[in-house]
Amino acid sequence: GNSVTQMEGPVTLSEEAFLTINCTYTATGYPSLFWYVQYPGEGLQLLLKATKADDKGSNKGFEATYRKETTSFHLEKGSVQVSDSAVYFCALSDETGTASKLTFGTGTRLQVTL
Amino acid sequence: NAGVMQNPRHLVRRRGQEARLRCSPMKGHSHVYWYRQLPEEGLKFMVYLQKENIIDESGMPKERFSAEFPKEGPSILRIQQVVRGDSAAYFCASSPIGGLGSPLHFGNGTRLTVT
Repeated sequence: GNSVTQMEGPVTLSEEAFLTINCTYTATGYPSLFWYVQYPGEGLQLLLKATKADDKGSNKGFEATYRKETTSFHLEKGSVQVSDSAVYFCALSDETGTASKLTFGTGTRLQVTL
Repeated sequence: NAGVMQNPRHLVRRRGQEARLRCSPMKGHSHVYWYRQLPEEGLKFMVYLQKENIIDESGMPKERFSAEFPKEGPSILRIQQVVRGDSAAYFCASSPIGGLGSPLHFGNGTRLTVT
């Protein structure tokens, strides 16, 4: 079945540091890939997505490239801010039938300090 | 444009009681998904519904859990005879269509505590 593996957290960085959160996946077919962010006490918000190989998703300074050859979708940001502190989830869509069911990784907590 | 609305935000139930969680999808969305997040874990898919139909319930526990999305009104996730292991955050998501790459819009969740 489908699965998503994320690097374990927490990741602690100083403000303006470079961020990488690794994500690899196992899937049949050609899933779409997503990064969601969860701020404390809230639901998940879509951060960015990529629907086919070599696509780059980007939003709010975050980027991730869909790498089919390495089955990866690593999240990067050049300069993090304290407000980026949250839990980040990598996910892929299950495209069997007509369902857009997501399989999530376990999440990576990011803590950014001044 | 209101987002996905879930209520209540927090729900406390004693063992053996019933829990009812409600979800109103975004306007114009006819597909609803329920996910469960156990402490320090990712979200696990439970069930996918369209109006009056359960499309995929492969993630639902076989007993005590049920879900519906009636023609009128919100989607309901019902947990009968709750046990401590049911304590979790339950998230509802909706989408306008169910197909390729449809991003899901999540509610803020209902945090269920079973005492």
